[in-house]
Formats: sequence, structure tokens, C-alpha cells
Amino acid sequence: DQQVKQNSPSLSVQEGRISILNCDYTNSMFDYFLWYKKYPAEGPTFLISISSIKDKNEDGRFTVFLNKSAKHLSLHIVPSQPGDSAVYFCAALAYSGAGSYQLTFGKGTKLSVIP
Amino acid sequence: DVKVTQSSRYLVKRTGEKVFLECVQDMDHENMFWYRQDPGLGLRLIYFSYDVKMKEKGDIPEGYSVSREKKERFSLILESASTNQTSMYLCASSLFGVGQGYGYTFGSGTRLTVV
Repeated sequence: DQQVKQNSPSLSVQEGRISILNCDYTNSMFDYFLWYKKYPAEGPTFLISISSIKDKNEDGRFTVFLNKSAKHLSLHIVPSQPGDSAVYFCAALAYSGAGSYQLTFGKGTKLSVIP
Repeated sequence: DVKVTQSSRYLVKRTGEKVFLECVQDMDHENMFWYRQDPGLGLRLIYFSYDVKMKEKGDIPEGYSVSREKKERFSLILESASTNQTSMYLCASSLFGVGQGYGYTFGSGTRLTVV
């Protein structure tokens, strides 16, 4: 059973417009959420994160919103740029026993920003 | 900056061969992970390790084994490569017991083709 879901496999947005990527989760034990960006033939790189005690975190053009009651988070990119075209993975962190943490990833959303 | 280095960017192996994928990290991280990424399936955890000589199965361990003889090195072994193991393999590391803001640090990936 998928605990972190990204229901849109792909998204196309015009350059300069807002991109909104969505993520839903089912496990209420998740206490930290992250977004990773991945270009082809490269490893994922950390983009932005949010703690479960917050509802918003902003970093430049990137903002992540968390709605804990709905178990939903979203990543907003404003304005979108062609260089933002990549696969975006939503990930959730929970204590996994043995004194450590483990990330659970969604399947990813491929964002295409059209010039 | 933490660096996670995967020994090969591209590999082509024959069916039935034993394949070794090497991963080295330089920041004294306790946790190391092996994922594979396939289109439409996202990142799937194969194996992980919280300490030297320690290993845990992830979601898809069949056909794989791992070795962690030193803290900085985590090897993924395909005992007898098959065509369905053609994939992008990603290694990651993280600190022990801490939900770091960046979660995991990933290597650049190894694109393995089994023919």
C-alpha cells in the first residue's frame, strides 16, 4: 500500500506561470516532509522541506504547503522556468526503529515548463 | 558538502553475470541506502544499512544482496543479473537518528543495462 502518493505523473506549465505539484500521504506518523528534484541521469537533489508543526515553508520561488488534517502537501513554483523541468519526488520521514529515520517516496511528477 | 560517489555512471552486463555496484560517502554518515528508479514506479528501496556489517531488506530485495564492511562504503550485488534488473540505481546516505532538513544525500546514479 502506497503511503505517499503523487497522483499526477506529469504536469505541463507555461514559463512564468505557477506550477503546483501535489502529494498525499496516509501515515499519520510522518513528521517531516521533503521535496526532491531529479534531472535525467542524475541523482535526486534536496529542494525544500517542511516540519509537521508548520503549514508553510518558503525558499525563493519555491513554497511548500502542508495541510495536516487532509494529509496533503503541495509544492508551488512561482514563476516557473524552463530549468525547473524535472521529476519532482515528494518524500515523508518517520522514525523507523533502531534509532533512525527512513524516507518514503512518492512515484514522482514530471514537470515540463514550456518556454 | 556531503558527497556520495557511485563508481560507475553507465554499465552494460550480460544475463547471468555477477554485478557489483559500489557507493562511497565521505561524511561519516551511519545510514546508507540503495534504491532503483524505474519510469512510473518511482524510487523503490532495495536494501539499507544503519551500521557497519548491518543490513536490512527494503521493499524489493529479491535478486540482490549488499555488503557494508566499512562505514563509508555500501555495495549492491546482483548475484545473477537478469534483464528485469535493467534500471537506474541510486545510492544515498544520511545521519543516524536525525531528521535532517535535507533528508538523504544521493549519488549521481548508475544506469545498468542487462543484455
